[in-house]
Amino acid sequence: SQQGEEDPQALSIQEGENATMNCSYKTSINNLQWYRQNSGRGLVHLILIRSNEREKHSGRLRVTLDTSKKSSSLLITASRAADTASYFCATPQTGANNLFFGTGTRLTVIP
Amino acid sequence: DGGITQSPKYLFRKEGQNVTLSCEQNLNHDAMYWYRQDPGQGLRLIYYSQIVNDFQKGDIAEGYSVSREKKESFPLTVTSAQKNPTAFYLCASSVEGPGRNQPQHFGDGTRLSIL
Repeated sequence: SQQGEEDPQALSIQEGENATMNCSYKTSINNLQWYRQNSGRGLVHLILIRSNEREKHSGRLRVTLDTSKKSSSLLITASRAADTASYFCATPQTGANNLFFGTGTRLTVIP
Repeated sequence: DGGITQSPKYLFRKEGQNVTLSCEQNLNHDAMYWYRQDPGQGLRLIYYSQIVNDFQKGDIAEGYSVSREKKESFPLTVTSAQKNPTAFYLCASSVEGPGRNQPQHFGDGTRLSIL
């Protein structure tokens, strides 16, 4: 399987703290994407990082990619209660048309 | 506003019945996808379509069927052959297939249950 796997499965932090979640994958990729899913809703695309990039920022989000370790991390700084959601990494297979999603990290931010 | 609309939000299926989930997009996207999500799990690809009148099976296509007669529409039929249909179904679209590095836009899902 080339599915990404997030770690930890669940994370609970106080508002204002930083949240870090990790994603590991098994095959070569040309990009990695992170998505957020609020309970009972669809996924929302957060950020895409290409294989030739090592770090990317978007507002309070910071994503890193280490292709040698086949891993990525998503950092949410100064978390808010509204950040409570599940976060998924997704990787496309080079030459194919599937997007593989991990099982997600469930983040709870306590006000 | 552009987006993806899935309907209905909740759907109940009787034994032996086929049901159809609707997915409509006005984003002018070429590619469309159907995923199944089970509780606490990631998404699994059922079918995808990169262009009108063409679609391919994903990882778990058995018991499902699709059509793509219009660019805007990609309905999913859950047939009676799908013995465990209870799940959250998500439709998505993108400018091109994921091999082209484009992010996917999702609808808000249909929750299907067996009566």
